[in-house]
Amino acid sequence: GESVGLHLPTLSVQEGDNSIINCAYSNSASDYFIWYKQESGKGPQFIIDIRSNMDKRQGQRVTVLLNKTVKHLSLQIAATQPGDSAVYFCAEAPYGQNFVFGPGTRLSVLP
Amino acid sequence: DAGVIQSPRHEVTEMGQEVTLRCKPISGHNSLFWYRQTMMRGLELLIYFNNNVPIDDSGMPEDRFSAKMPNASFSTLKIQPSEPRDSAVYFCASSPNTQGNQPQHFGDGTRLSIL
Repeated sequence: GESVGLHLPTLSVQEGDNSIINCAYSNSASDYFIWYKQESGKGPQFIIDIRSNMDKRQGQRVTVLLNKTVKHLSLQIAATQPGDSAVYFCAEAPYGQNFVFGPGTRLSVLP
Repeated sequence: DAGVIQSPRHEVTEMGQEVTLRCKPISGHNSLFWYRQTMMRGLELLIYFNNNVPIDDSGMPEDRFSAKMPNASFSTLKIQPSEPRDSAVYFCASSPNTQGNQPQHFGDGTRLSIL
């Protein structure tokens, strides 16, 4: 599938609240997934990954959930901070194939 | 640790000129990727190399685009002649290898403006 970056969805959350960013992926053969964070003027930065043999993985303040049945991926950020403001991309890949990136979601953290 | 290094960070040039973008991957990474990012199309893979060999260039938009990787620590993406529609942010990324799927690590990009 081709990633098309039209009207970027925006999520606004209050500082200290939890954020949930969602991603629907298209390829049922995808078995590896990554969340990236992209701040203004920078390249995408790796946050967390998950393989299809798992449905949940936790990092520092972040949790990724994978629902293969409905081809859905989510990123949960606990106690959202101003520094979390960025565009978040999900990426999917079947084994041995290249990543396909989602259009991204802009997260705005309100003071 | 040094990440992926791209140069220049910004490039403004007139249409018809040759543009060369440069990338130094993370040491020890065997795979290198060139992406283009625009508001309309998001992040698109242009070409990738494995062990300095181009594997898939199907994302390269036209013959005006070419990429080389003369050694494991350097790659270039060249546009000749450049056109205004080439204006975008170009990213280079590297990963340890393409087997088993591993994260790609991105540079901070080159913002290209063709006037």
